[in-house]
Amino acid sequence: GAGVSQSPRYKVAKRGQDVALRCDPISGHVSLFWYQQALGQGPEFLTYFQNEAQLDKSGLPSDRFFAERPEGSVSTLKIQRTQQEDSAVYLCASSPPRVAVKETQYFGPGTRLLVL
Amino acid sequence: AQKVTQAQTEISVVEKEDVTLDCVYETRDTTYYLFWYKQPPSGELVFLIRRNSFDEQNEISGRYSWNFQKSTSSFNFTITASQVVDSAVYFCALSEPHSSASKIIFGSGTRLSIRP
Repeated sequence: GAGVSQSPRYKVAKRGQDVALRCDPISGHVSLFWYQQALGQGPEFLTYFQNEAQLDKSGLPSDRFFAERPEGSVSTLKIQRTQQEDSAVYLCASSPPRVAVKETQYFGPGTRLLVL
Repeated sequence: AQKVTQAQTEISVVEKEDVTLDCVYETRDTTYYLFWYKQPPSGELVFLIRRNSFDEQNEISGRYSWNFQKSTSSFNFTITASQVVDSAVYFCALSEPHSSASKIIFGSGTRLSIRP
């Protein structure tokens, strides 16, 4: 497909379990972003990649959260030892390399994580 | 600090009515982008519009129109002749291209319900 894809769409984890969320950006998009959206709230920035370089991880809530994009395309957000407060929708977005439109981010459908 | 405020938590109107969603933003920068995204029940964020801070010209796209007022730091969104399919959560957002991440700061959203 032409859009950003994310998998799994839904994930139920037991507290303490590790999870890995995958994002496939739009082909050719240089920038990739992860956001966390709690129920009833707007998305909040977690981290940003330009190609394979993680340029900003200031939004990651704790050292249990780790993101990577080793080949500059697919990205994985990993959460270790999940806690109930990690329950949220995790959104991935990508944006194209042209400067004129670099600020337009296109979002995937999200992964809904529920930690029991 | 950057902030986006959407004071209207929920709005409900009857189909064919016009409705305006308010957005007020705060930023220290003179160069920034403003966005509106739509989030239907499926959960995916759909890009609607991006405006550059130097372009205060209002924009119309079909039944959608946007009123950017720099003097009041507002970027309001009007739907004319609303339809049931317009029911969704709408997010206003801000990004500052000079920041390393160009991350987007979202408001808390306005849930719009269009009644038949």
